[in-house]
Amino acid sequence: AQSVSQHNHHVILSEAASLELGCNYSYGGTVNLFWYVQYPGQHLQLLLKYFSGDPLVKGIKGFEAEFIKSKFSFNLRKPSVQWSDTAEYFCAVGEAAGNKLTFGGGTRVLVKP
Amino acid sequence: DTGVSQNPRHKITKRGQNVTFRCDPISEHNRLYWYRQTLGQGPEFLTYFQNEAQLEKSRLLSDRFSAERPKGSFSTLEIQRTEQGDSAMYLCASSLIGGSNENEQFFGPGTRLTVL
Repeated sequence: AQSVSQHNHHVILSEAASLELGCNYSYGGTVNLFWYVQYPGQHLQLLLKYFSGDPLVKGIKGFEAEFIKSKFSFNLRKPSVQWSDTAEYFCAVGEAAGNKLTFGGGTRVLVKP
Repeated sequence: DTGVSQNPRHKITKRGQNVTFRCDPISEHNRLYWYRQTLGQGPEFLTYFQNEAQLEKSRLLSDRFSAERPKGSFSTLEIQRTEQGDSAMYLCASSLIGGSNENEQFFGPGTRLTVL
């Protein structure tokens, strides 16, 4: 069975600081990788996804993630955060096209103005 | 169609009662998923449908839970004889297999269930 772990449960930063959220998964086969974000009071929405090709993936709102197959990792980064990036971030893994997703426990990010 | 919708948004019930939730996916989407999210955790997969066929069920889905998607459009999730441990947010998502974003699941706002 797959599992996904996110290293930090809570992160507090100041505006303009850089953000990196760790995500590791356990699964030996081909995976599709996702980062979802949930802003306060809103739905889960997709930030970015990796299926194949360039392991450095760019998403919305200046976020990017790097897939490192040898480390089973898919870390999320943003060079300079804004107060509006305050949200909960979830890493998710899918085994195949359109299959169920396995989520990590989430990381709550608070950006202080 | 602006997205996945779920009703009700909140449900408070007494232990032992039955509850039913509804999910309306994005209209052309052929896959529909149910997840459950408890406080401080990520969503956990419950079941999914392709059109009207239920393709997979998680072990989390005890025999008190049943889900249907009778015409391949909306879906219902019923919980019988609710227990306090069923208190959670129930999320629905949909996706289009065969489209350009076929692995992207679009989530609804969820139904928050509180069992007293």
